[in-house]
Amino acid sequence: AQSVTQPDIHITVSEGASLELRCNYSYGATPYLFWYVQSPGQGLQLLLKYFSGDTLVQGIKGFEAEFKRSQSSFNLRKPSVHWSDAAEYFCAVATSASKIIFGSGTRLSIRP
Amino acid sequence: ETGVTQTPRHLVMGMTNKKSLKCEQHLGHNAMYWYKQSAKKPLELMFVYNFKEQTENNSVPSRFSPECPNSSHLFLHLHTLQPEDSALYLCASTPYDGDTQYFGPGTRLTVL
Repeated sequence: AQSVTQPDIHITVSEGASLELRCNYSYGATPYLFWYVQSPGQGLQLLLKYFSGDTLVQGIKGFEAEFKRSQSSFNLRKPSVHWSDAAEYFCAVATSASKIIFGSGTRLSIRP
Repeated sequence: ETGVTQTPRHLVMGMTNKKSLKCEQHLGHNAMYWYKQSAKKPLELMFVYNFKEQTENNSVPSRFSPECPNSSHLFLHLHTLQPEDSALYLCASTPYDGDTQYFGPGTRLTVL
C-alpha cells in the first residue's frame, strides 16, 4: 500500500541555520510529490511539487526539495531559516486521481 | 474574495445539535475535498467531489453528510456527533482531480 513517512515529529533549528526535513514514500511507480506548510490555525499552503523532469525542485519562500528515486525520498531543504518558517510541514504523495496521502507532519521550531 | 474560504472558522456544538460547515472556492476548480485533521494524526481524506458528483467516501460515519450543489460550494452537514469528532476540518479544491490542492483555513470544531 502507498504510504508517506516523515520520521521527525519535531525539529528545532537556530535562526540562520540550514534545514532538512525528511520524507520517504512507498509506491511502485513514480508518484507526484508535494510539500505543504501549515501555520497555526491555518490551512495548508503548497511549498513545491514534483511531477517529472528535474529532480531538484524549487519552491516558494526559498525552499527546495530533491527527489531521489533510489532512496524513495523527497527531502525538503532550506539553506538559512527565518523565524517565520516556524510551522508544521507535510509531505504528500498523489498516486492517482484523488488519492493524495499526507505524512503525519514535522513541526519546525526556530531558536532565536 | 479569492481562494478557498470556509465558514464558520470556529464551531462548538453539543452531541445532539445539527450544524453545517460551508466551503466556497473562487478558483474555478472542478474538484473539492473534505479533510479531517486531528491532533497527532495524519490528515484524513473524508470525501471527494468531481463536477458535483461524489467520487470518494473514505468510510466516513453517516453522522457526516456532505453536499455539493455546484462546483464552487461544498457543505458538510453534522448531526449527533461524538467528542472524538472534534478536529480541524479542512476543505480543498483542485483544477481537476489529482492536481495540486488549494486549502481553505479550516473550521475548528469542538463537540461537547
